[in-house]
Amino acid sequence: DQQVKQNSPSLSVQEGRISILNCDYTNSMFDYFLWYKKYPAEGPTFLISISSIKDKNEDGRFTVFLNKSAKHLSLHIVPSQPGDSAVYFCAARSPFYSGGGADGLTFGKGTHLIIQP
Amino acid sequence: DSGVTQTPKHLITATGQRVTLRCSPRSGDLSVYWYQQSLDQGLQFLIHYYNGEERAKGNILERFSAQQFPDLHSELNLSSLELGDSALYFCASRDPQGRYTFGSGTRLTVV
Repeated sequence: DQQVKQNSPSLSVQEGRISILNCDYTNSMFDYFLWYKKYPAEGPTFLISISSIKDKNEDGRFTVFLNKSAKHLSLHIVPSQPGDSAVYFCAARSPFYSGGGADGLTFGKGTHLIIQP
Repeated sequence: DSGVTQTPKHLITATGQRVTLRCSPRSGDLSVYWYQQSLDQGLQFLIHYYNGEERAKGNILERFSAQQFPDLHSELNLSSLELGDSALYFCASRDPQGRYTFGSGTRLTVV
């Protein structure tokens, strides 16, 4: 049972345009959402996050939107640059000790973003 | 350099064998998390340690175990290895502000 879903395995966008990466979740206990970027042969690196009490968070070219009623979040990258080509993982966190389980992150399977020149 | 150190970077071993993966968290971070990334899969949470104590288990097989030592480094032990255990294994540490930092991973190949 996948609690965090990224339904697009890959996405191709032209340089300079907007990249929109989507993520859906099923667990209403998630209270914090994160996006990670991963290059080959490297570990994931933190990109941006959003608390469940907010609906938008912006950091430079990156904006994350959260729609709690739809259990959906999206990452917008504007403008897209060649260095943005990577795999992007959406992750969600349960509150510490909630549900008797993990404080670890639940990840989606990732979306491979390709920025075309 | 993320500050989270994982060794070795690559490991090739035969089925049935046992291996130990090592992780040193960022200086000052008390939490260590282990994740497994198999081919075409997202990162699967395995186990979480905090200041030497196990705090939570995720999808960790009984053949796998972990521990965190007084100096806060952690080891993930994988035994009776099967071909399907071939994967990237990442560890992460978490700072008091809740930011998770990942190491560069250990690529395990079971042949």
